[in-house]
Amino acid sequence: EAGVVQSPRYKIIEKKQPVAFWCNPISGHNTLYWYLQNLGQGPELLIRYENEEAVDDSQLPKDRFSAERLKGVDSTLKIQPAELGDSAVYLCASSLRSGPNTEAFFGQGTRLTVV
Amino acid sequence: GNSVTQMEGPVTLSEEAFLTINCTYTATGYPSLFWYVQYPGEGLQLLLKATKADDKGSNKGFEATYRKETTSFHLEKGSVQVSDSAVYFCALSLPFSSGSARQLTFGSGTQLTVLP
Repeated sequence: EAGVVQSPRYKIIEKKQPVAFWCNPISGHNTLYWYLQNLGQGPELLIRYENEEAVDDSQLPKDRFSAERLKGVDSTLKIQPAELGDSAVYLCASSLRSGPNTEAFFGQGTRLTVV
Repeated sequence: GNSVTQMEGPVTLSEEAFLTINCTYTATGYPSLFWYVQYPGEGLQLLLKATKADDKGSNKGFEATYRKETTSFHLEKGSVQVSDSAVYFCALSLPFSSGSARQLTFGSGTQLTVLP
């Protein structure tokens, strides 16, 4: 079974430029998460989707960050414009929506460097 | 609020040494507790979990016991190997206010290096 797939793995951009990350969750997983992981820190939740609905985006900086999950499958996270402080690893995870198997499965992440 | 505090790293051990990584938590309600591992260049993987007090999670020789009285979930392994070198994250989850998915709150991670 394929895991959570993220692309690109690495991205280097200049500040003030836009950037987008893509995530394909595990097939059948209704819940999708985007996490931010700063260097030396644990992941922090940015946004959670239940199918195509964003049900928890309280930690998403909405002035520059946006996300979408069309058709309740793949998701994209966008930053426009990027700032130096956005340099971090952006992790996508997915889980089954209900039942005992609510373990979150993580992708390899996208490492963003803003210069 | 909910939080997880982990032993600061980095931790460097010789092969076959005993490992303990301390983890304590603060949570409202009754969390499930997890240890995730992140090998170099890879995503986070679930190592073990415990869903209620006194449960012991185990996997790949690692163990952790859910201690409600001390709000702890320390990770242990009797004999580490070079291949155990990774970053270890303690985490807790509580139900979201809506839906049945559970929100993960992570500690800051502990880097483990095992030398041959």
